[in-house]
Amino acid sequence: AQSVTQLDSQVPVFEEAPVELRCNYSSSVSVYLFWYVQYPNQGLQLLLKYLSGSTLVESINGFEAEFNKSQTSFHLRKPSVHISDTAEYFCAVSDINTGFQKLVFGTGTRLLVSP
Amino acid sequence: NAGVTQTPKFQVLKTGQSMTLQCAQDMNHNSMYWYRQDPGMGLRLIYYSASEGTTDKGEVPNGYNVSRLNKREFSLRLESAAPSQTSVYFCASSVTPGRDSYGYTFGSGTRLTVV
Repeated sequence: AQSVTQLDSQVPVFEEAPVELRCNYSSSVSVYLFWYVQYPNQGLQLLLKYLSGSTLVESINGFEAEFNKSQTSFHLRKPSVHISDTAEYFCAVSDINTGFQKLVFGTGTRLLVSP
Repeated sequence: NAGVTQTPKFQVLKTGQSMTLQCAQDMNHNSMYWYRQDPGMGLRLIYYSASEGTTDKGEVPNGYNVSRLNKREFSLRLESAAPSQTSVYFCASSVTPGRDSYGYTFGSGTRLTVV
């Protein structure tokens, strides 16, 4: 069965510093990969996704993630964070060959941005 | 507003009481899901419905039942609530897989406390 590992439960960082949130998945089969963001007391929102094509995908608010098949990783990065990026971030994976979408989520990484 | 609507937003139950969490989506999505979110454990799938008329167990189904009432609605029932079911519950929906449509839409959650 698929599994997703987010090794860092919490990442503190200062405003305008770069950040990387790590995500590794277990399966060697073809997968789709996602990052979701959860702001305090809200539901999860899709941040970005990798389905095929370029291994580097970007979000509209400056985050990017790179699919690395050999390392089974999909790390999320941002070159300069803002206070408003404080949230919990979840990595998720889905096997391509299922007939419907069934995502497996990691345990989440809480990004804490301070002035 | 299009999306996934969950009711209620908050609920306190006594041990042994029963209740139903409601979820409805107006995006004509085929698949619907119920997750619970607990600190340090991420999101765990309770039940899902790949299409109208079908339901299947997820990772943590014990103590829960579901009903896919129609294409729009997917309810989660706790027959005899236990303190271990204190959690935040999220409903999500998705379309049949298509390249650009991949990803879940989440509701805003139900915060349930069992005392």
